[in-house]
Amino acid sequence: EAGVTQSPTHLIKTRGQQATLRCSPISGHTSVYWYQQALGLGLQFLLWYDEGEERNRGNFPPRFSGRQFPNYSSELNVNALELEDSALYLCASKRGTDTQYFGPGTRLTVL
Amino acid sequence: RKEVEQDPGPFNVPEGATVAFNCTYSNSASQSFFWYRQDCRKEPKLLMSVYSSGNEDGRFTAQLNRASQYISLLIRDSKLSDSATYLCVVNTGGSYIPTFGRGTSLIVHP
Repeated sequence: EAGVTQSPTHLIKTRGQQATLRCSPISGHTSVYWYQQALGLGLQFLLWYDEGEERNRGNFPPRFSGRQFPNYSSELNVNALELEDSALYLCASKRGTDTQYFGPGTRLTVL
Repeated sequence: RKEVEQDPGPFNVPEGATVAFNCTYSNSASQSFFWYRQDCRKEPKLLMSVYSSGNEDGRFTAQLNRASQYISLLIRDSKLSDSATYLCVVNTGGSYIPTFGRGTSLIVHP
């Protein structure tokens, strides 16, 4: 069974630009979670999508947004990039109340 | 007080040693608990769930103490490959948003 996939692996942007990160969940999983992990810090919850709807969001500004598509894949958009947005962005999927499984992440660097 | 707290370490131990980590949580309504392992610059991977009665998986033993609101992870006969960061994860009843600790770093040396 294929795991959670994310693209791109690495992304380099400059301040003020926009970034789009993508995630495909494990087949059969309807929930997708996005996390930010800055260097040396823990995982910070960003967004939770389930059945195509945004169910919850963490303490991040509105320039962090996303969506979930009918096939349950998801996209995270970060507008007006700032230097401190540089981090590893992790996507995780799960089905119901099962545990989460993570993708390999997208490493975003903002110059 | 943070919702989930872990000693960041690093715990520096020789091969073959036994090492234990604790993780405390603040919300008494927390219902499910997990340990994840994260290697440097990689994604977290589920190590084991933590059950009320305690559970064991090979060299790894997880315990839950609801009265004192902590979970623990014991690693016996440490291997070099056990070197990683161990993340404690807590789910609170009614919330589908897990809370991650910042992790405990383990370094196993020859």
